[in-house]
Amino acid sequence: EDKVVQSPLSLVVHEGDTVTLNCSYEVTNFRSLLWYKQEKKAPTFLFMLTSSGIEKKSGRLSSILDKKELFSILNITATQTGDSAVYLCAVFSGGYNKLIFGAGTRLAVHP
Amino acid sequence: GAVVSQHPSRVICKSGTSVKIECRSLDFQATTMFWYRQFPKQSLMLMATSNEGSKATYEQGVEKDKFLINHASLTLSTLTVTSAHPEDSSFYICSARPQAAVEQYFGPGTRLTVT
Repeated sequence: EDKVVQSPLSLVVHEGDTVTLNCSYEVTNFRSLLWYKQEKKAPTFLFMLTSSGIEKKSGRLSSILDKKELFSILNITATQTGDSAVYLCAVFSGGYNKLIFGAGTRLAVHP
Repeated sequence: GAVVSQHPSRVICKSGTSVKIECRSLDFQATTMFWYRQFPKQSLMLMATSNEGSKATYEQGVEKDKFLINHASLTLSTLTVTSAHPEDSSFYICSARPQAAVEQYFGPGTRLTVT
């Protein structure tokens, strides 16, 4: 059965800290891995990773994929209170229709 | 760009009634839309894939006669929860995929409460 596992499930840090969120997966016919940020409502798209070892970066956020070890990490540097959210990892399996989501990491950034 | 809207954002209905939720892609055309369900503090679970002009594909365990999906145009898909029961109470989120794209863009979700 396809599965996506995220860790930690929750994390509390102070502003300015750096955090690393983990996502491991076991799926048949992997295509791509996506990261989303979910605040109160809809998840917003952050990154899509298809190739191993190529870092994607957007401001203080960056992510990389390891297809040999079947995992990805999402790094957030110099965290701000606005980074508080649930970060979701999802994987396309067997095509680009079915997205399989992990349970998410709930990040709380305190002032 | 890539904005998806859902309506209503919140609905309360009585057990046994039906509820329709609309999902619209506002600034792009989407041949494929997706319907997810999210229980509190749990992740999104794909319910069905909706293709414009054809029947939806439902995930295992999702009753197609209970969750009716219609994708009549390239910018609109609807999910109708028929004969709703309290256990159908959940957060329903749609997503849409632009033509020739891979990533999905999510709507703001609809919180359904069945009393």
